[in-house]
Amino acid sequence: AQKITQTQPGMFVQEKEAVTLDCTYDTSDQSYGLFWYKQPSSGEMIFLIYQGSYDEQNATEGRYSLNFQKARKSANLVISASQLGDSAMYFCAMREGLSGDKIIFGKGTRLHILP
Amino acid sequence: NAGVMQNPRHLVRRRGQEARLRCSPMKGHSHVYWYRQLPEEGLKFMVYLQKENIIDESGMPKERFSAEFPKEGPSILRIQQVVRGDSAAYFCASSPQRQGAYNEQFFGPGTRLTVL
Repeated sequence: AQKITQTQPGMFVQEKEAVTLDCTYDTSDQSYGLFWYKQPSSGEMIFLIYQGSYDEQNATEGRYSLNFQKARKSANLVISASQLGDSAMYFCAMREGLSGDKIIFGKGTRLHILP
Repeated sequence: NAGVMQNPRHLVRRRGQEARLRCSPMKGHSHVYWYRQLPEEGLKFMVYLQKENIIDESGMPKERFSAEFPKEGPSILRIQQVVRGDSAAYFCASSPQRQGAYNEQFFGPGTRLTVL
């Protein structure tokens, strides 16, 4: 069963608009962590934001926020005031359990910001 | 404080040759993870190592692939007798100690392996 589902293979957004990238996950663990990574065309993996399953508030990091809806098992990434440099692949990922070592990645969403 | 270092950044091999990918974790990190990314895919976990120990190799192909993290020096991912299907980006990540769900892994820039 797929653990991380990103249903948007690609998105086009006008510069300066806000954008929401969808992510749903599947786990039976009570303790887990959710991550978003950005992968620009240069290929490196850039950590953006983290949400713990017990965190009561949604995580925020600058223009990035994570809309965490635990009951729905969704962890959407919101980018406010998008910029041309935000064009990249975005991966949602999860780490399971208190002793979880591996991170499980979704297939990604390719975001294109239009000038 | 240098991040995770991987070399080479690009590696070209012919079918049947060996590929050696190196990863130096961040200073103070004793745990290393290897992931593989096929084109247009997310990263897939391969192996998790501590110094001189393989902790979890559930994602490693059964043949031709091996990994080590010696007491001194970088972690090595070794692929013997490479085939075209091994062409991918290989990422290394490190963390300071065995941690639960609440800590991130720091990723290196990746090694892009091309098998001709």
